[in-house]
Amino acid sequence: DVKVTQSSRYLVKRTGEKVFLECVQDMDHENMFWYRQDPGLGLRLIYFSYDVKMKEKGDIPEGYSVSREKKERFSLILESASTNQTSMYLCASSLEGGQAQISHFSNQPQHFGDGTRLSIL
Amino acid sequence: QKEVEQNSGPLSVPEGAIASLNCTYSDRGSQSFFWYRQYSGKSPELIMFIYSNGDKEDGRFTAQLNKASQYVSLLIRDSQPSDSATYLCAVIYNFNKFYFGSGTKLNVKP
Repeated sequence: DVKVTQSSRYLVKRTGEKVFLECVQDMDHENMFWYRQDPGLGLRLIYFSYDVKMKEKGDIPEGYSVSREKKERFSLILESASTNQTSMYLCASSLEGGQAQISHFSNQPQHFGDGTRLSIL
Repeated sequence: QKEVEQNSGPLSVPEGAIASLNCTYSDRGSQSFFWYRQYSGKSPELIMFIYSNGDKEDGRFTAQLNKASQYVSLLIRDSQPSDSATYLCAVIYNFNKFYFGSGTKLNVKP
């Protein structure tokens, strides 16, 4: 079974702090993703990575950055936390598509971690 | 128009009935379709995937894909209260984009 592990289930931070959310997967997946999920807004993609040191912006990258130094680990960084970043954060991973130059996704599903419920006070 | 559309519900069915969840998508270039189940406060869990037109069955779950009409459905037979959750539809377009619907909430009443 695919295992995606997020470092914290619950986290409380203060505005202005730099916040790190960590995600590790054990299935040698090329693709990793960070989403946030808010009531009524569904899943929104923040960033994804299709290879070590590679990253691409999702739909809502503002206020966030990411780091992928090793294949199994993908970190989400809130540079200066604000109250509107209070949310459930979900990490996911998936296998890559066969032709990396033109596509990053095969027909493989994304597998999610348990999520981190982050509160910014 | 959103890339993946789902009725938010809630859809209420009695225990033992068939629950039918629907999802429409806007791009004919899509080729892979997934259904996830998400319990309140938990993360999405993959329950079905389908790539070809027609039906795919797995236990009490059946996924139905109609590419000409651009919809994908999930049927849950013999619904149980433990099936009460939000069901997310997801689509891969052209191997480049992965879209999630906003989900349909299902309530199965004992």
